[in-house]
Formats: sequence, structure tokens, C-alpha cells
Amino acid sequence: KQEVTQIPAALSVPEGENLVLNCSFTDSAIYNLQWFRQDPGKGLTSLLLIQSSQREQTSGRLNASLDKSSGRSTLYIAASQPGDSATYLCAVPFSNDYKLSFGAGTTVTVRA
Amino acid sequence: NAGVMQNPRHLVRRRGQEARLRCSPMKGHSHVYWYRQLPEEGLKFMVYLQKENIIDESGMPKERFSAEFPKEGPSILRIQQVVRGDSAAYFCASSPPFLEEQYFGPGTRLTVT
Repeated sequence: KQEVTQIPAALSVPEGENLVLNCSFTDSAIYNLQWFRQDPGKGLTSLLLIQSSQREQTSGRLNASLDKSSGRSTLYIAASQPGDSATYLCAVPFSNDYKLSFGAGTTVTVRA
Repeated sequence: NAGVMQNPRHLVRRRGQEARLRCSPMKGHSHVYWYRQLPEEGLKFMVYLQKENIIDESGMPKERFSAEFPKEGPSILRIQQVVRGDSAAYFCASSPPFLEEQYFGPGTRLTVT
């Protein structure tokens, strides 16, 4: 069974500071890892998908790294803005499976 | 290309009634997944379907819940005789080939009174 843990559960930073969100998973035999953003009362927006063969993936101010051997991924958000305030979820498929196992999320507040 | 569509966005049912949640996958996607997000909990997998086939329903409660994805039309998640504990956000996702990126819909928020 794949267990996904996200630390910290909540984070509050002033605008302009860089954000570091951590995700750990128990079964390292994964095919990929996805980072999502969820706004209150809304759906999930896919931010980044990292394939198991990749070490990192970048999109704009977002950079996600993947270390399969240690079962960890980190999402970096550079120069945070108030619009980055949301809950960020990490999701990993079960080994050789399609079901996504989600972490509980990190709720980010960026203060203006 | 429209994203994953779900309707209704909000649904209120009284205890004992039936709830029907609809999901239209992205164009070209033939794989549909349903997840449930209970209050103060993370998203949990419920069921995985392809056209006219239930592939994996291991996350679905054994009673009162059923899902289908017919040859024509949207995927339906059906909850019979709803109880207060069914109040949650239900998300649908779709993907093209097996194990590729999943795209999520906006969710249906079910409230049971």
C-alpha cells in the first residue's frame, strides 16, 4: 500500500519569499508523481507531472524534484505571490497501478 | 478542448434519497476515475472505469454505491439511500492511456441533510 505524507501541513509566508513543500511516499516503485493545486471549494489543477525517469520538472516559477530512492519529492515555488495561496497536493500512483494515492496537502498562505 | 466536466456542481439530498453524479471525460479520454474527499480528509480512490467496464472498484463502499461508464454518455456515480456520512466532494478524473496524467473535474459537492 502506498502511503503519502506531506510536510508541513500549513505554511504562511510574506510575499516574495520562496516556498518549499515536501512530499514523501513509502513505495519507491512509482511510475510518476503529480503535484496539484486546490483552491477552496474548487477542483484540482495539475501543476507538474514528473516521470520516474526524471529528476526534476520545471514550469515557470515552479520546480519539482524527485528522488525515488529516498521516496521524496519537493515542490519549490519561487518569489511567492498572494495568488499562490492554496492547498498543494502530492499524488503518486500505486506501484504498477493507476489509482492515485494523495497526501493530505500543504495549505499555503502568502501574505501581501 | 473542454476539460473534465462534472454536474451538478452542488447537490443537496435528504437522508434516504438517491444521488446521481455525472462526469464527462476530456475528449479522447476513455479512462475515468472517481475519488472522494471527505471533510478534513484527503482524496481517496473509489473506482476506475473504461467504456462499459468497471476495472477496479476496490475503493467503493460495498453497499449503496455503484458506478457506470456506458458506451454513450457520461460516467455516472450513483449513491442510493444517502446518509449524512456521504456528504463530501466527489471528483472525477480522466486520462488517455493507462498510467498517464490524470485530469480532474471541478467536483460535485454533495450535502446530505
